[in-house]
Amino acid sequence: DAGVIQSPRHEVTEMGQEVTLRCKPISGHNSLFWYRQTMMRGLELLIYFNNNVPIDDSGMPEDRFSAKMPNASFSTLKIQPSEPRDSAVYFCASTVVTRQGNEKLFFGSGTQLSVL
Amino acid sequence: QKEVEQNSGPLSVPEGAIASLNCTYSDRGSQSFFWYRQYSGKSPELIMSIYSNGDKEDGRFTAQLNKASQYVSLLIRDSQPSDSATYLCAVNPKNTGNQFYFGTGTSLTVIP
Repeated sequence: DAGVIQSPRHEVTEMGQEVTLRCKPISGHNSLFWYRQTMMRGLELLIYFNNNVPIDDSGMPEDRFSAKMPNASFSTLKIQPSEPRDSAVYFCASTVVTRQGNEKLFFGSGTQLSVL
Repeated sequence: QKEVEQNSGPLSVPEGAIASLNCTYSDRGSQSFFWYRQYSGKSPELIMSIYSNGDKEDGRFTAQLNKASQYVSLLIRDSQPSDSATYLCAVNPKNTGNQFYFGTGTSLTVIP
């Protein structure tokens, strides 16, 4: 199993540019989460999808942020226009429901975003 | 009030000692509890999950849950320098189909 795959691993861009982060969840997982991690605020949930449908986007900081999940194997998080305060590590995660009916969250390797 | 609270540390223990990490949560109806380990520059890695009151042991790790006190802890026995990392507590208020709330993490350093 390849795990949750994110790209790019690192992104350096200038303020005002559009940034697109990509995620491929683990095959068979039906929920996908986007988190942002900073030293000051820790891990923050931005949005999550269940069966490709956005369920809770209350964590999306502003209209500059948008996320899509066009199919079960792909999701994007877009920031347009980007600002220096968006600099953080962005994690994608997906969940599987165990035989006991419990849910476990698995993370991708993250995208380190630096907005200059 | 934050959903999940942890001591940020840093916590330092000598090699071979027991490291004790603690976490409290606010939603009394929470059902699922997790401990993640995160090495510097890496992603969180699930190391323990616990769903019922009591202790759950996995190798050198023991998770303890007390729902009445809304408290979950992680004990690491025979601590090794390789255990040095940030440990994140996570809570899933509903067992499935809901978001996972994370604490800010406790930094652990095991001194050789």
